Amino acid sequence: EVQLVESGGGLVQPGRSLRLSCTASGFTFGDYAMSWVRQAPGKGLEWVGFIRSKAYGGTTEYAASVKGRFTISRDDSKSIAYLQMNSLKTEDTAVYYCTRHRSGSYGLDYWGQGTLVTVSS
Amino acid sequence: SYVLTQPPSVSVAPGQTARITCGGNNIGSKSVHWYQQKPGQAPVLVVYDDSDRPSGIPERFSGSNSGNTATLTISRVEAGDEADYYCQVWDSSSDHPNYVFGTGTKVTVL
Repeated sequence: EVQLVESGGGLVQPGRSLRLSCTASGFTFGDYAMSWVRQAPGKGLEWVGFIRSKAYGGTTEYAASVKGRFTISRDDSKSIAYLQMNSLKTEDTAVYYCTRHRSGSYGLDYWGQGTLVTVSS
Repeated sequence: SYVLTQPPSVSVAPGQTARITCGGNNIGSKSVHWYQQKPGQAPVLVVYDDSDRPSGIPERFSGSNSGNTATLTISRVEAGDEADYYCQVWDSSSDHPNYVFGTGTKVTVL
């Protein structure tokens, strides 16, 4: 069974940093691209960024709203994806979901339960 | 940047058909994916690549995509289909490729 479990969320002050982790199980993690998607309270879904599998260079893409502040990385030996968030703003407050890209598609076929990040002084 | 527009809400009686539209410039040239999100839960992929269903998704869910509109159709609607639905594409047409989500549609079962 595919499982994605996010951790690392919490309350953080504006301007500070936070790192989220996504621990995967039930599939060969290194074969898949992984995305982070967020949802502000009462709002819609917003893509944050993704990281390709090593077979496709392990490169990353980011939404304009987070580019230069957020960094996605992966440790295939541990089946973990990371989201490093720096210079956090109040508008980054959201539930952050880790998602898996469906093989051969840009659809996101598995989602974690999400972790809440609250940016507030 | 690329914009996907959905109606804020759709209401449908049980057993009837719900159609949720997703409008975007020449969206027919892109692959569209649809997600269902129930309150307090993570989204679930219900249709990918315009019209394919992941395993475990009922055949009542179908998708189409042409021109400037993609459509998610839910046939024989059940109370359990009440949820928010989002369309999504990968937009590689600009200098800054990115995933785009639609504005979301709340489906209410009367």
